[in-house]
Amino acid sequence: SQTIHQWPATLVQPVGSPLSLECTVEGTSNPNLYWYRQAAGRGLQLLFYSVGIGQISSEVPQNLSASRPQDRQFILSSKKLLLSDSGFYLCAWSRTGGMETQYFGPGTRLLVL
Amino acid sequence: QKEVEQNSGPLSVPEGAIASLNCTYSDRGSQSFFWYRQYSGKSPELIMSIYSNGDKEDGRFTAQLNKASQYVSLLIRDSQPSDSATYLCAGRRGSNYKLTFGKGTLLTVNP
Repeated sequence: SQTIHQWPATLVQPVGSPLSLECTVEGTSNPNLYWYRQAAGRGLQLLFYSVGIGQISSEVPQNLSASRPQDRQFILSSKKLLLSDSGFYLCAWSRTGGMETQYFGPGTRLLVL
Repeated sequence: QKEVEQNSGPLSVPEGAIASLNCTYSDRGSQSFFWYRQYSGKSPELIMSIYSNGDKEDGRFTAQLNKASQYVSLLIRDSQPSDSATYLCAGRRGSNYKLTFGKGTLLTVNP
């Protein structure tokens, strides 16, 4: 069976500090990978998705970036965090193809102070 | 802006009752729809997906899709306190990767 991991589970960071969140998937190969953000009172917002190593598509312009250095690893980064970056960051995976269901990881709760 | 809207809630039902969660969407190109359940502080977990007009049943859950009316619903029969959570509706256009989520409906099932 497939398992998706995210770390850290929670993070408190000062404004202007860098960020690195990691997501890994086990039990499948060549998955599609996604980064979502869920802010208080707002719906889930797709930030990035990737269909393969080194292939990143951005949905929302912002100070965040994503990378996929390995097939089952997806990283979300920032050089300088803003207060508005606070939220619940969720990684998701799906099988290759556009019609597949997305499954979410446990998430990282980020608080920027 | 393509949107998915859910009845704002919160929705409160007694244990054993039917809970009805509703969702409308503005993008007529949306072809597949998903219901996720999210417990407080946790990540969303998939309950059901539906692609065709009509009803789809899975245990106590029934998803209904009406593409002409641009309407999706989730019925939970014999509601249990463990069903208390926020329910998220999401739609997807064709084979596009992007899911568009509603803001969710908080359901409370009272013992």
